Amino acid sequence: NAGVTQTPKFRILKIGQSMTLQCAQDMNHNYMYWYRQDPGMGLKLIYYSVGAGITDKGEVPNGYNVSRSTTEDFPLRLELAAPSQTSVYFCASSYSRTVDTGELFFGEGSRLTVL
Amino acid sequence: GNSVTQMEGPVTLSEEAFLTINCTYTATGYPSLFWYVQYPGEGLQLLLKATKADDKGSNKGFEATYRKETTSFHLEKGSVQVSDSAVYFCALTETSYDKVIFGPGTSLSVIP
Repeated sequence: NAGVTQTPKFRILKIGQSMTLQCAQDMNHNYMYWYRQDPGMGLKLIYYSVGAGITDKGEVPNGYNVSRSTTEDFPLRLELAAPSQTSVYFCASSYSRTVDTGELFFGEGSRLTVL
Repeated sequence: GNSVTQMEGPVTLSEEAFLTINCTYTATGYPSLFWYVQYPGEGLQLLLKATKADDKGSNKGFEATYRKETTSFHLEKGSVQVSDSAVYFCALTETSYDKVIFGPGTSLSVIP
């Protein structure tokens, strides 16, 4: 019972490099989300998707891109990494609108450091 | 806009002590309210929720009551254990669009 799987768990990038954080869920959830967690700041929504082929910006989308070609996968792309993107990134999914149920299922997180 | 405020941590308690973590919110409409818990090295997981005023959510000995008059959703547990050491996040759903808004989190350490 895998749930939400994120890779890699840890990564160090140099300024200006690019990378993709992978997220996959096996629960057939339509809704998927990317959050970043900074110390003392809680979680901020980066991007979200309500189904394959549909994505939308959250609170802090600058410097990131996403795609949703399948129900299962929701990769997050970082272009031209900057130190401000040093954070822990969480992917989450839900089986219906969160206004209806509120329950998000989270992956274990990906810790990214940009030097 | 909608927001969630939590008491600042870290909170350190002895085993079997009583726990209260305060949470207040600002929202338009009638949001649902949640507590999520994050154990060390893990992602967040839902602890409990309440979807309307005066509802009480409960799970694993934790409780929280949705108080509309004071816009609060305080988390309580009568007797904490070392295994309750974690970061606790209060959250609400936006009613105008489909998102969950999280508070900054409160770190709890329980010592034997």
